[in-house]
Amino acid sequence: EDQVTQSPEALRLQEGESSSLNCSYTVSGLRGLFWYRQDPGKGPEFLFTLYSAGEEKEKERLKATLTKKESFLHITAPKPEDSATYLCAVQAAGAAGNKLTFGGGTRVLVKP
Amino acid sequence: EPEVTQTPSHQVTQMGQEVILRCVPISNHLYFYWYRQILGQKVEFLVSFYNNEISEKSEIFDDQFSVERPDGSNFTLKIRSTKLEDSAMYFCASPGTGAVQETQYFGPGTRLLVL
Repeated sequence: EDQVTQSPEALRLQEGESSSLNCSYTVSGLRGLFWYRQDPGKGPEFLFTLYSAGEEKEKERLKATLTKKESFLHITAPKPEDSATYLCAVQAAGAAGNKLTFGGGTRVLVKP
Repeated sequence: EPEVTQTPSHQVTQMGQEVILRCVPISNHLYFYWYRQILGQKVEFLVSFYNNEISEKSEIFDDQFSVERPDGSNFTLKIRSTKLEDSAMYFCASPGTGAVQETQYFGPGTRLLVL
C-alpha cells in the first residue's frame, strides 16, 4: 500500500527565515510526486510535479527536490503570504485509476 | 491554473437524506476524480471515473456512493443515505490540458455537514 508521511506537522517561521519540509514515501513504482498548497477551507492548489530522483523544480520562493525515498520543499526567505498547508502526494506507476495518495500536510505559518 | 468548478459550496443535510454534489471539470477531459477531506485529516481518494466508467475506487466508496456523468460536461457524486461521518469537504479533480496528464487540478470543494 502506498504511504506518504510529511514532517514536521507544523512550522512557525519568521519572515525571511528559510526552511525545508519533508515528504517521505513508499510506493510500488513512482509515476509522479506532487506538491500542493492548501489554504483553509479551499481546494489543493497545484505547485509541482516531480518524476524521477534528482529532479528539481522552482517557483518563486519554493523549490522542490526528489530522491528515491523522499522529497523536500524548500521555502527561501518566506513571506507571510506563504502561510498555508503544504501537501505532498504520490501516484503509483501502473495504477488503473491514477489516484493520488496524500500525506497529512505541513502547516506553515510565516510571521512578519 | 486550469479551473474546476463545484456546486454547491456548502450543503447541510439531515442524516439519511440523499445529497448530490456537482463538478464541472476542465473541458474535454474524460478523466475525473473525487476526493474527500474530513476536518483536520488527510485528503482521501474516493473514486476515479474514465470515459463513463469507474476505473478505480477506494474502500470508502461503498454502495451508498455513486458517480454519474449526466451530460457532456457535468459530473456528480451522489450519497444515497448520508451518515454523520460523511461530513467532510468533497473535492473533484481533473487532469489539465496538454501533455502532462498526471497532474490533477482540484476544485474549490463542497463542504458537507450531516446533522
